[in-house]
Amino acid sequence: AQSVTQPDIHITVSEGASLELRCNYSYGATPYLFWYVQSPGQGLQLLLKYFSGDTLVQGIKGFEAEFKRSQSSFNLRKPSVHWSDAAEYFCAVVHTGRRALTFGSGTRLQVQP
Amino acid sequence: NAGVMQNPRHLVRRRGQEARLRCSPMKGHSHVYWYRQLPEEGLKFMVYLQKENIIDESGMPKERFSAEFPKEGPSILRIQQVVRGDSAAYFCASSPIRRGTQDTDTQYFGPGTRLTVL
Repeated sequence: AQSVTQPDIHITVSEGASLELRCNYSYGATPYLFWYVQSPGQGLQLLLKYFSGDTLVQGIKGFEAEFKRSQSSFNLRKPSVHWSDAAEYFCAVVHTGRRALTFGSGTRLQVQP
Repeated sequence: NAGVMQNPRHLVRRRGQEARLRCSPMKGHSHVYWYRQLPEEGLKFMVYLQKENIIDESGMPKERFSAEFPKEGPSILRIQQVVRGDSAAYFCASSPIRRGTQDTDTQYFGPGTRLTVL
């Protein structure tokens, strides 16, 4: 069965610092990969997605992610974090044949001034 | 283009009552998904529906939970005889499933319904 691991439950960075959130998946074929962000008490907003092609994907709000097949990873990055980026970030995967998203447990990001 | 709409946003029920959660997909979307988020956890898939059809209900609890997506109107997630363990945020997502575009399999989420069982 497919699974998604986000090894960092909680990360704190200073405003202006760079950010990398880790995501590893377990699945035989190339899945479809997503990053969503959830602000407190809100729904999920799609940041970016990878289906095929260029392994470096650009998203909204200055985020990018890189798919690395050899490492089964899809890490999210941002070169300079803003205070408004404080939220919970979820990595998710879906594979052909099913439509259900499998989510990681999330990484809560705090941004220090 | 309005996003996915869910109502109510907050719902309080006493143990044993019924909860009905509604979801209207984005315009042009005919596929609906329900997910549950327990406190301090990620989202867990419950059910996937198309108009008048349940496609995948592998994540639905076997008892007390049901879902429908009628030809007309919103999708409904129904929880009968609620218990405290049902307290969670329930999210609905929709997708267009258009062939040949990268919107295939992209799900867009609503704001959620937060159910509290007293």
